[in-house]
Amino acid sequence: QVQLVQSGAEVKKPGASVRVSCKASGYTFTSYGVSWVRQAPGQGLEWMGWINVYTGDTNYVQNLQGRVSMTIDTSTSTAYMELRNLRSDDTAVYFCARGVDTSGWAPWDYWGQGTLVTVSS
Amino acid sequence: EIVLIQSPDFQSVTPKETITITCRASQPIGSSLHWYQQKPDQSPKLLIKYASQSFSGVPSRFSGSGSGTDFTLTINSLEAEDAATYYCHQSNSVPLNFGGGSKVEIK
Repeated sequence: QVQLVQSGAEVKKPGASVRVSCKASGYTFTSYGVSWVRQAPGQGLEWMGWINVYTGDTNYVQNLQGRVSMTIDTSTSTAYMELRNLRSDDTAVYFCARGVDTSGWAPWDYWGQGTLVTVSS
Repeated sequence: EIVLIQSPDFQSVTPKETITITCRASQPIGSSLHWYQQKPDQSPKLLIKYASQSFSGVPSRFSGSGSGTDFTLTINSLEAEDAATYYCHQSNSVPLNFGGGSKVEIK
């Protein structure tokens, strides 16, 4: 069955970086895109960006440009999201999600369990 | 940037009721509108894709309709397990985004 398993919770200081992993199984990794979505405590969902797992092409939300990077390791079927220069308002649960196809314009049919990133001095 | 406005923000309903949640887009998005259910401390789950296509395994009481700027999620004969927050999401253009969410409480 399709599974996306994310890395564990992180606590970081302001200005630090965090890398969250998302290991996929149960399907052909390169046949579907992966998006990252975050949710601040008690708030709604925010799309961060998308990576074409086949080509490595990315598309990031403008307000995170320069601080976020999304990469993949096809040898381990793992997607990564790195966020740099962390601020307190980056405290959130971060989700990876598989698109229903390779397109970046697709809905997401499977989600990771979420990774809580806490930014605090 | 496309803005999605959901209504109502909250509703408290009794089991077996039928409810609707609406999502209005600030500009036409065709059928590129999808609905998710999120329960506390869980990941979102896809219910409806492309406005009206039910996702595999989703109970038939969930249905979607609409196109252009106005969309509706209908839950027929509500069950206790349907207590959740529901989000619409547009994939017509970047930045992809979500409505603010509609919380459904079961009395």
